[in-house]
Amino acid sequence: EAQVTQNPRYLITVTGKKLTVTCSQNMNHEYMSWYRQDPGLGLRQIYYSMNVEVTDKGDVPEGYKVSRKEKRNFPLILESPSPNQTSLYFCASSHPGLMNTEAFFGQGTRLTVV
Amino acid sequence: EDKVVQSPLSLVVHEGDTVTLNCSYEVTNFRSLLWYKQEKKAPTFLFMLTSSGIEKKSGRLSSILDKKELFSILNITATQTGDSAVYLCAVLGDYGQNFVFGPGTRLSVLP
Repeated sequence: EAQVTQNPRYLITVTGKKLTVTCSQNMNHEYMSWYRQDPGLGLRQIYYSMNVEVTDKGDVPEGYKVSRKEKRNFPLILESPSPNQTSLYFCASSHPGLMNTEAFFGQGTRLTVV
Repeated sequence: EDKVVQSPLSLVVHEGDTVTLNCSYEVTNFRSLLWYKQEKKAPTFLFMLTSSGIEKKSGRLSSILDKKELFSILNITATQTGDSAVYLCAVLGDYGQNFVFGPGTRLSVLP
């Protein structure tokens, strides 16, 4: 089954404690991205990756890092989480080589930083 | 800067009503416009629109795109409580690199 898998689904952590949210897709997609979703603001892109070892900032990259060492994995790293990073996070993948493509989403990670 | 605006942001109707959700956009090198439905989890894909004037239909949902006026509408007829969700509009532009999402329309269908 084609899917994007995020872990964990829920996470409560304390300010300053490094954490990683994993994302893996099994569709051989080149393009992967991370979004955060906050009430009234919709989905805002944090980082994206066009392919292995190619990453770039989205609209709200501050406080986040990513890496793309393998095509299937795109972890999101918060080196020193702060309460304003409390949000719902989604990983997505797609195949930009196609003329038109939809984004496939993971199930989301609800992060609370206290 | 690419932008997607949705209206209304919130809508409350009763079962059986028909609703129209709006999405307008400004995007460089438009490729496609997509509609997603989001309940309490990940967005699920509804429609992809690439050409003006061609209606896409799935059951009680339909959508159409106007590339000249840069907007799309999503219609839901005979609404049911199961249609309650946030409906997201997204555009794919810039040579297919990035999706830009609107803020969503929260639809509540009351019994």
